[in-house]
Amino acid sequence: GAGVSQTPSNKVTEKGKYVELRCDPISGHTALYWYRQSLGQGPEFLIYFQGTGAADDSGLPNDRFFAVRPEGSVSTLKIQRTERGDSAVYLCASSLRMWDEQFFGPGTRLTVL
Amino acid sequence: QKEVEQNSGPLSVPEGAIASLNCTYSDRGSQSFFWYRQYSGKSPELIMFIYSNGDKEDGRFTAQLNKASQYVSLLIRDSQPSDSATYLCAVGASGGSNYKLTFGKGTLLTVNP
Repeated sequence: GAGVSQTPSNKVTEKGKYVELRCDPISGHTALYWYRQSLGQGPEFLIYFQGTGAADDSGLPNDRFFAVRPEGSVSTLKIQRTERGDSAVYLCASSLRMWDEQFFGPGTRLTVL
Repeated sequence: QKEVEQNSGPLSVPEGAIASLNCTYSDRGSQSFFWYRQYSGKSPELIMFIYSNGDKEDGRFTAQLNKASQYVSLLIRDSQPSDSATYLCAVGASGGSNYKLTFGKGTLLTVNP
């Protein structure tokens, strides 16, 4: 079956701009996660959704970052007033339930100039 | 701050040898442990998970867990050049937040033909 998909695969933006990154989880997976991976580092947890609600957003670095999952499937990560330090690969993962194994999408490489 | 430590490598082994990858973690209450493989420029791919002390085997891969020592390892038997990748150890948080994975920085494995 289809895996986790993410769009766009690459996004280049200018400092101060707004960006949206999209994630389409594996069909039937109720849990969805966003991670961020910087060069030479492991992925870093950002936020976890169970259904439509953000059950844990403790990893979001500041209030410029926000994520939604309005219908319990597709999720959008939104970053306002982007900064050069936001440049990273943003990974989305999903799992059947919160305690199950997480499967990652291909990621969106964000570059802030 | 929960930590997961891995030797960054590179770990170089000849084809056909056993590759041994190690990981230690700081969260004593963690109950779930994962190994992901990440090829350069790609997203993490789940290869093994383990929840109980002892060994778990899947094909050429064996995961080993020792909760008392807070130590997880991955053995790859009959290593192949296609196993060359970065291996990420991930640990689920304790206290009901096992969905929140903390990753190590990864160990770069090179299998030489």
